[in-house]
Amino acid sequence: TQLLEQSPQFLSIQEGENLTVYCNSSSVFSSLQWYRQEPGEGPVLLVTVVTGGEVKKLKRLTFQFGDARKDSSLHITAAQPGDTGLYLCAGGDSNYQLIWGAGTKLIIKP
Amino acid sequence: DTAVSQTPKYLVTQMGNDKSIKCEQNLGHDTMYWYKQDSKKFLKIMFSYNNKELIINETVPNRFSPKSPDKAHLNLHINSLELGDSAVYFCASSQDLASPYEQYFGPGTRLTVT
Repeated sequence: TQLLEQSPQFLSIQEGENLTVYCNSSSVFSSLQWYRQEPGEGPVLLVTVVTGGEVKKLKRLTFQFGDARKDSSLHITAAQPGDTGLYLCAGGDSNYQLIWGAGTKLIIKP
Repeated sequence: DTAVSQTPKYLVTQMGNDKSIKCEQNLGHDTMYWYKQDSKKFLKIMFSYNNKELIINETVPNRFSPKSPDKAHLNLHINSLELGDSAVYFCASSQDLASPYEQYFGPGTRLTVT
């Protein structure tokens, strides 16, 4: 069974700080997606990474796919209260299904 | 325009009742999904449909029956509701089976069974 473990489960920091959250597995994925979910809403796709070692930037968010395509990280620079939410990673397996992590709940305090 | 819409947003009902949740997408996607998100926020796939055909049917009680009248709609009917069915249910869609990883979600339906 493929599993995606996200860490930390919960992170609360002050506005302006930097942070990194992780998504790890022992399995190889064909692609990895990061979604953000705000309270009362559905997850919204932020990025897809498909190549080992790939780095993508979305404003202050930097996403990296591990060289072996088993893990990924999301780094946020100068976090803002608008970054608050549940960050979910999901890996695409060889059966064209998404394997979901349990999420990192991020709170940015003003 | 809302890409993926669900109704109702909230549903409170008693044990033993039957209820339905409706989902519509206007993205022109071929593939639609139902997910259950529990209190710990874990998203669990329940069903997926491609062009009205059932593709994935995870281990879900047969009290749950999806129906897709056309590829833009995927409804979920639940019979004999139980306390453990309380959760948030999300509908989602993706372009097609060959590109299932980029999914667009509806706002969710919070089901509370009392």
